[in-house]
Amino acid sequence: KNEVEQSPQNLTAQEGEFITINCSYSVGISALHWLQQHPGGGIVSLFMLSSGKKKHGRLIATINIQEKHSSLHITASHPRDSAVYICAGGTSYGKLTFGQGTILTVHP
Amino acid sequence: NAGVTQTPKFQVLKTGQSMTLQCAQDMNHEYMSWYRQDPGMGLRLIHYSVGAGITDQGEVPNGYNVSRSTTEDFPLRLLSAAPSQTSVYFCASSYMGQANSPLHFGNGTRLTVT
Repeated sequence: KNEVEQSPQNLTAQEGEFITINCSYSVGISALHWLQQHPGGGIVSLFMLSSGKKKHGRLIATINIQEKHSSLHITASHPRDSAVYICAGGTSYGKLTFGQGTILTVHP
Repeated sequence: NAGVTQTPKFQVLKTGQSMTLQCAQDMNHEYMSWYRQDPGMGLRLIHYSVGAGITDQGEVPNGYNVSRSTTEDFPLRLLSAAPSQTSVYFCASSYMGQANSPLHFGNGTRLTVT
């Protein structure tokens, strides 16, 4: 069974802090997605990774295939970054398994 | 482009009623999928499709049917609604192989079954 474990479940930070959210996944997953969901809102895809590192603005996502581990980093965090961040592992034949999500709150 | 369009946004059903949640995309994506999101459970895959005429079950398929007669549309049918199906439903699509393509989500349907 493909599994995705995410940590921490809850994260509180002060504006400007560097934030890291971690995701571990099991054998069979060939790509890792990072998603963002604001309260009451829809779901937005931030990154899709199968190797290496990607950067978009203040967001950085990395993946270590050997260790089956991915991280999402937010530099210079801002209150508008407050949201639920979700990692999801995808197999080559289309199935996706989601982590439980990390609730991030950034205080001014 | 409208992206992924889900309808309705809200729905209340009585136990035993049937209904169809609609999902349409205009990006010519091969991969389409349905998820439910429940408090404390995260997102769970219900059914998915890798192309017209091809569907497969996800993690929680019981009580739901799907079909994919066109590339654009992927409706989710509840044949006999149960209170356990109260949830928020999301549809998503991407290019195939989805391993190399970001997901595009609809805005969700909040379903309550009484």
